[in-house]
Amino acid sequence: AQSVAQPEDQVNVAEGNPLTVKCTYSVSGNPYLFWYVQYPNRGLQFLLKYITGDNLVKGSYGFEAEFNKSQTSFHLKKPSALVSDSALYFCAVRSSNDYKLSFGAGTTVTVRA
Amino acid sequence: EAEVAQSPRYKITEKSQAVAFWCDPISGHATLYWYRQILGQGPELLVQFQDESVVDDSQLPKDRFSAERLKGVDSTLKIQPAELGDSAMYLCASSFSGGETDTQYFGPGTRLTVL
Repeated sequence: AQSVAQPEDQVNVAEGNPLTVKCTYSVSGNPYLFWYVQYPNRGLQFLLKYITGDNLVKGSYGFEAEFNKSQTSFHLKKPSALVSDSALYFCAVRSSNDYKLSFGAGTTVTVRA
Repeated sequence: EAEVAQSPRYKITEKSQAVAFWCDPISGHATLYWYRQILGQGPELLVQFQDESVVDDSQLPKDRFSAERLKGVDSTLKIQPAELGDSAMYLCASSFSGGETDTQYFGPGTRLTVL
């Protein structure tokens, strides 16, 4: 069975500092990885995805993520965090052997001014 | 920019009552998903439609939950009777074809509170 782990429940950073949200996955077959962001009482907004090719994926709002096959990781990064980036972030995985999108438990990001 | 529409945004009901949620996917999207998100957790798939057909409802509690997408466009999720443990956010998502590399786009959700 496929699964996603987000090892940090919370990440706190100062505005202007780099932001990293960690994600590791477990699948059989080729992984397809996604990041979503959720603001309070809202649905999930798509940020970026990795399907194949370049390991560094660029997405919306200045976010990027790096796929690392050997470490089975897909960490989300932003070079300079904004207060408005404070939200709940979800990593999700599908695979060539399992079409269901499996989500991690989420990481709450707080960016302080 | 096209979006997934859901209504109502909030629903408060009493235990044993019936509730229904509506979803209108992005135009042209063949695949529609209903998820349940319990506070503090990631979404979990309840049911997936491809056009008007159910592809996966293995996690749908069929004794009380039902879902339909009669014309292959909008969809309704019903709970009857509602139980206290059904309190959650119900999210609808759609994607173009349902393929494993397809991006799912989510609506704003319906927050259900069962008293």
